[in-house]
Amino acid sequence: GAVVSQHPSRVICKSGTSVKIECRSLDFQATTMFWYRQFPKQSLMLMATSNEGSKATYEQGVEKDKFLINHASLTLSTLTVTSAHPEDSSFYICSAIAVAKNIQYFGAGTRLSVL
Amino acid sequence: GQQVMQIPQYQHVQEGEDFTTYCNSSTTLSNIQWYKQRPGGHPVFLIQLVKSGEVKKQKRLTFQFGEAKKNSSLHITATQTTDVGTYFCAQAGTALIFGKGTTLSVSS
Repeated sequence: GAVVSQHPSRVICKSGTSVKIECRSLDFQATTMFWYRQFPKQSLMLMATSNEGSKATYEQGVEKDKFLINHASLTLSTLTVTSAHPEDSSFYICSAIAVAKNIQYFGAGTRLSVL
Repeated sequence: GQQVMQIPQYQHVQEGEDFTTYCNSSTTLSNIQWYKQRPGGHPVFLIQLVKSGEVKKQKRLTFQFGEAKKNSSLHITATQTTDVGTYFCAQAGTALIFGKGTTLSVSS
């Protein structure tokens, strides 16, 4: 099946630093990728939709200057958490949609801990 | 926005017992997808239902889509410890709108 690679799997950083998370579709092209955040024991909440070659679409309440998304190619989207704070600590998961199947394939997730 | 409500939030069963999780919407769903997330893992696609009244089976898992396309269920027959995890329903539109999930624990 389709594979989505997400890197890194875990990040521990100091407050105020920026963290970049990469999401790659390995065996299919993804014009659209999605970024989710999941807090412990909660569901996945959509943060933004990443569109190749254009600006990302952010969900209500998600700061676009805080969570920078770049989708420079058909196989790569990046999420940068700028000036991270402890409240940004969470599990961030990306997904890419295989258009022909209307199925989203998820990356393994990145667990961010901000000290 | 449209929401899918999922119940129960938690379910504990003895190995061998059956398990069902329900997904409900106040509006008609164009489709419903089901995902499983193991503890510490990421969601894995299980199935998509599109047609009214559709029933699909995957081994011990039975998925149903209501006639009115406003509800769906996932039933697991004779649970095993490997079934442990959180099961999410989601409507696939431009993006996935997830239900809150049902976390299943199984004791042997």
